[in-house]
Formats: sequence, C-alpha cells, structure tokens
Amino acid sequence: AQSVTQPDIHITVSEGASLELRCNYSYGATPYLFWYVQSPGQGLQLLLKYFSGDTLVQGIKGFEAEFKRSQSSFNLRKPSVHWSDAAEYFCAVGPGSNYQLIWGAGTKLIIKP
Amino acid sequence: DAGVTQSPTHLIKTRGQQVTLRCSPKSGHDTVSWYQQALGQGPQFIFQYYEEEERQRGNFPDRFSGHQFPNYSSELNVNALLLGDSALYLCASSGEGGLVQFFGPGTRLTVL
Repeated sequence: AQSVTQPDIHITVSEGASLELRCNYSYGATPYLFWYVQSPGQGLQLLLKYFSGDTLVQGIKGFEAEFKRSQSSFNLRKPSVHWSDAAEYFCAVGPGSNYQLIWGAGTKLIIKP
Repeated sequence: DAGVTQSPTHLIKTRGQQVTLRCSPKSGHDTVSWYQQALGQGPQFIFQYYEEEERQRGNFPDRFSGHQFPNYSSELNVNALLLGDSALYLCASSGEGGLVQFFGPGTRLTVL
C-alpha cells in the first residue's frame, strides 16, 4: 500500500540553526515527491518537488530536499531557519495512476528565539 | 494572476444539514481536486474532477459529491452532515498532466 511517514510530530530548533525534516514513503513505482508548507489558518504552499534527475532539489525560501531511493526517503533541509519558518510541513507522494496525492501526517516546526 | 480561491472561508452547520463549498481554480488549470484535512492530520483525498467528470474518488461515502462547471470551477457538496465532517476542506487545481497541485486557503467547516 502507498504511504508516507513523517516520524517527527514536532521539531523545535533555534533561530539560525539548521533543520532537517524526515519523510519516508512506500510506493510501488517511481514516486513523484513533494514538500508543502502550511501556516496557521492557511492553505498549502508548494516548497519543492522531485520528479526525476538530480536527486538534490532546490525549492523556495531556501529549502532543499534530497531523494534517496535506497532509503525510500525525501528529507527536507534548510541551513539556517528564520522565525517565519514556523509552520507545519507536509510530505506527499504521487499523483500516480489514480491521480491523488498521498500525504504524511505533517511535522510542526517550532522556532526558539 | 489569482491563485486558487475558495468560498466561504468559514462555515458553521448543524448535524443533518447539507453544505456546499466552492472553488475557482488557478487561471489556466482544468483539473480540481478536493481534500479533507482534520485537525492535526494530513489532507485526505476526496475526489478529482476533470472535464466536468469525477475522474477519481478517495475513500469517502456517497454523502460527499461534487460538480465541475464548464469554466472549471467546482463545488463540493456534503449531505447529512456528521460531527466528524468538521474539518478544513482544501481545493487544489492543476494544469495539463496534473503533476503539481496548487492549493486554495481552504474552507473551515464546523458541524455542531
């Protein structure tokens, strides 16, 4: 069955520190992978995506993610976080032949001043 | 260029009532997907519309129905509301190929 696991429900980091959010997936075919961010009371904004090619992808707001097929992972990273990065981050896989996106449960990022 | 818009922003209904949520896709997009996001969870796929037809459906009961209009806008209808239907309902649109979905701000539905 297709699934996405984000092992960390909450992560707290200090402003200026580096960040890594984990995402593991289970998918039968070559996955299309996405990271979205959701600020309180708002919709989902696409940070970055991976379809094929270079396994290190750059996104908006200084985020990057690395696709590791052998580990079925697509972890999100940022070298230095800002208070404005506080939000919930969702990893998603698809759409496959049935067009839907499969989502992780999200990781809430808390920034310490 | 306006992104995906949804209306209303918030809605309060009572059990057993019916509700209609509306979505206008991003300019140039012809495909609309609907998701339900319960508090503290990731979105769950409800269904997707393309060329005014339901193309794919997630694991939701028939109480959830939809429609897509010739201008690609879409409605989500929920009948016989249950307390468990309280959630943020997200609309996403995508263009040709449908690989990247762009989301609206959502409609927060509260069922009392």
